[in-house]
Amino acid sequence: EVQLLESGGGLVQPGESLRLSCAASGFTFSSYAMSWVRQAPGKGLEWVSIISGSGASTYYTDSVKGRFTISRDNSKNTLYLQMNSLRAEDTAVYYCAKGTYSTGRNCFDPWGQGTLVTVSS
Amino acid sequence: EIVLTQSPATLSLSPGERATLSCRASQSVSNYLAWYQQKPGQAPRLLIYDASNRATGIPARFSGSGSGTDFTLTISSLEPEDFAVYYCQQRNNWPLTFGGGTKVEIK
Repeated sequence: EVQLLESGGGLVQPGESLRLSCAASGFTFSSYAMSWVRQAPGKGLEWVSIISGSGASTYYTDSVKGRFTISRDNSKNTLYLQMNSLRAEDTAVYYCAKGTYSTGRNCFDPWGQGTLVTVSS
Repeated sequence: EIVLTQSPATLSLSPGERATLSCRASQSVSNYLAWYQQKPGQAPRLLIYDASNRATGIPARFSGSGSGTDFTLTISSLEPEDFAVYYCQQRNNWPLTFGGGTKVEIK
């Protein structure tokens, strides 16, 4: 059974940093792209970033480019999201999601349960 | 950026009725459109990928159709567990984008 377990969320002040982790199990981690998708309280889904199975390719939505960095450690079956210069509008539940392909533009199945990031002074 | 517009925003139906949800893209996404279901307090679940392919374990009452800019998710006969929010997502262009969602509520 595929399992994705996010951690690292919490309350931070504007301008601060946070690193999210997603521990994966139940599949060959390096064979699939992985992504972060967020959902602000009471709002819809917003794709944030994706990394290919090898880690060679990464893509970001414009609003996080230059502030967020996605990475993965295939030896540890773990996905990361380093979030710097956080803003109030980054407040959301952040989901880790497994891509359906190893690279490129994906859809996502399954998703983790999410970790809440709150940016507030 | 491709904008996905879902309609209606809310659909009020009774169990056993047929649900028809629409997703319209601002430009062609070929058949690279997926549908997800999200229940309160839960993560989204993939229902349909590439417009018409059911994901693993998804019941046959869920079906998807369309190509280009107009897509439809149909639930042939609503079960109590189907009342939820449904999102479409395109993977034809960067950035990947989601629609705003359709809430299917009990009438």
